Amino acid sequence: IAGITQAPTSQILAAGRRMTLRCTQDMRHNAMYWYRQDLGLGLRLIHYSNTAGTTGKGEVPDGYSVSRANTDDFPLTLASAVPSQTSVYFCASSEQPTGELFFGEGSRLTVL
Amino acid sequence: DQQVKQNSPSLSVQEGRISILNCDYTNSMFDYFLWYKKYPAEGPTFLISISSIKDKNEDGRFTVFLNKSAKHLSLHIVPSQPGDSAVYFCASKRSGYSTLTFGKGTMLLVSP
Repeated sequence: IAGITQAPTSQILAAGRRMTLRCTQDMRHNAMYWYRQDLGLGLRLIHYSNTAGTTGKGEVPDGYSVSRANTDDFPLTLASAVPSQTSVYFCASSEQPTGELFFGEGSRLTVL
Repeated sequence: DQQVKQNSPSLSVQEGRISILNCDYTNSMFDYFLWYKKYPAEGPTFLISISSIKDKNEDGRFTVFLNKSAKHLSLHIVPSQPGDSAVYFCASKRSGYSTLTFGKGTMLLVSP
């Protein structure tokens, strides 16, 4: 059982470039989330989706966009990367919006 | 303003002793609380949760206590084992809301 798959695992990116972090889940969970983890700041919610076709903004949405065309995929796009977006990004899902979260392994992004 | 606070960035405990990790919250509307455990280079994994209608929930070596009047919860690990060494995140949510608010995390080191 794969659970949540994130890609790439790690990426170094030049500032100003566009980048999409991929997230796929095989658990048929309704809700999906993107968090970023930064030293000293914990996990902060970027965007979420309670069900396919809907998305919402989290605590730190600026500079990021998401789409939820189907149940399984929830890509996170940085339209024009900046160094402050250097972070570890975690995708998560839950069966229902109020349920326990299952996390992917993370994508480490470095913006130079 | 941080709604979920873990004021101890780190905690060191000897194997076999009790580990107590603390968490405070400011939003009185939070009514569900969770603890997640995170090893390096892995995604967080769910550990234990508690609803606001309870003041204690136990699962094996892990017990979570909730003091609603103080807006405080704690995670007790007894006995602590070296494999428990990880970062522990406290998280909270409101009924009807899909998103979790995380604390900054506490790094627990259990030495043999």
